Amino acid sequence: NAGVTQTPKFRVLKTGQSMTLLCAQDMNHEYMYWYRQDPGMGLRLIHYSVGEGTTAKGEVPDGYNVSRLKKQNFLLGLESAAPSQTSVYFCASSPRAVPNYNEQFFGPGTRLTVL
Amino acid sequence: AQSVSQHNHHVILSEAASLELGCNYSYGGTVNLFWYVQYPGQHLQLLLKYFSGDPLVKGIKGFEAEFIKSKFSFNLRKPSVQWSDTAEYFCAVNARSGGYQKVTFGTGTKLQVIP
Repeated sequence: NAGVTQTPKFRVLKTGQSMTLLCAQDMNHEYMYWYRQDPGMGLRLIHYSVGEGTTAKGEVPDGYNVSRLKKQNFLLGLESAAPSQTSVYFCASSPRAVPNYNEQFFGPGTRLTVL
Repeated sequence: AQSVSQHNHHVILSEAASLELGCNYSYGGTVNLFWYVQYPGQHLQLLLKYFSGDPLVKGIKGFEAEFIKSKFSFNLRKPSVQWSDTAEYFCAVNARSGGYQKVTFGTGTKLQVIP
């Protein structure tokens, strides 16, 4: 199993450009998450999904949109990139756990720079 | 709302020294607790987890953590660190209160081990 994969690994954008980050998992996990990691701030949840066709806002959702059209994929979109969105983005997934253990499996990350 | 505090932001140790990284959380109910490790340039990986039972949890690579409910703490320990333990360590908490809950991460502790 590949686990959780993310594309692209690196990207440089100009302010105002748009892009989509793709996360894919082959573990049949129900839950998927998008985080951003910034120095000294740990991981902050952007959006998450508890199943195919569902999405919900996390701590820092502004400026991002997501879609979960297929169970194995979770897309993160930046509609109009801003320098404040320069960060490393991690996708994660976890199985529907009973009881809710929420052990997460992380992808390798996407390093995004917005100029 | 639950929160996680990691008071040590940057720790520098010599090889063979003992390690203890602090993690405190704020939530009055039942919790699941995790330590994740991020080696340089890599994604987060689960180091160990506590769900229930014995409050002393052993993880991979000789790490252990002790859950002290009365102190709301889940400190990570290793008796003798190695250069290969150089990484960033994240404590995470999942509050169990029924339904779906998100995991809250601490801001991380960077550990540098000097040969």
